[in-house]
Amino acid sequence: EAGVTQFPSHSVIEKGQTVTLRCDPISGHDNLYWYRRVMGKEIKFLLHFVKESKQDESGMPNNRFLAERTGGTYSTLKVQPAELEDSGVYFCASSPRPSGELFFGEGSRLTVL
Amino acid sequence: RKEVEQDPGPFNVPEGATVAFNCTYSNSASQSFFWYRQDCRKEPKLLMSVYSSGNEDGRFTAQLNRASQYISLLIRDSKLSDSATYLCVVNAGGTSYGKLTFGQGTILTVHP
Repeated sequence: EAGVTQFPSHSVIEKGQTVTLRCDPISGHDNLYWYRRVMGKEIKFLLHFVKESKQDESGMPNNRFLAERTGGTYSTLKVQPAELEDSGVYFCASSPRPSGELFFGEGSRLTVL
Repeated sequence: RKEVEQDPGPFNVPEGATVAFNCTYSNSASQSFFWYRQDCRKEPKLLMSVYSSGNEDGRFTAQLNRASQYISLLIRDSKLSDSATYLCVVNAGGTSYGKLTFGQGTILTVHP
């Protein structure tokens, strides 16, 4: 069974540019989460989808971040315009039901110059 | 004060040693608790859930003390392959059941 896949694995962009990260959850998992880890800090929650609906987006840092999950399958996280402090590793995770037992993807490393 | 606090280590132990990690959390309403393991530049993976009665999975034992808001992980007979960062994770539950709070992680290195 395929795990959670994320693309790209690494993205280097300049401040002010736009980046879109993609996550394909495990098939059949209705719950999809985005987390991120910035340098030297702990992994932090961004948001939680149940199917195509945003269940909790309390962790989204500001309106430069937009997450979508049209059709309730894959999800995208767009950062526009990117700032230096957005650099970090963005993890996607999924689960069949809401719980703390999540399956994480390998992450998308974002570097903003 | 951080919501979940861990001793960052690093812990350097020889193979076969027993090592214990501790973690405290600040939200007394937290519902569920976990230890995740993260290898260098890889994704976090669930190691085990932590129950009030304590639970064991092979060489790993997890304990929870709700009164003290304290979680522990004990690794017996350490293997080289146990080298990783161990993340203490708390779930507030309720309306935030999808939101995990991570500690910063404790680095373990097991040497021959």
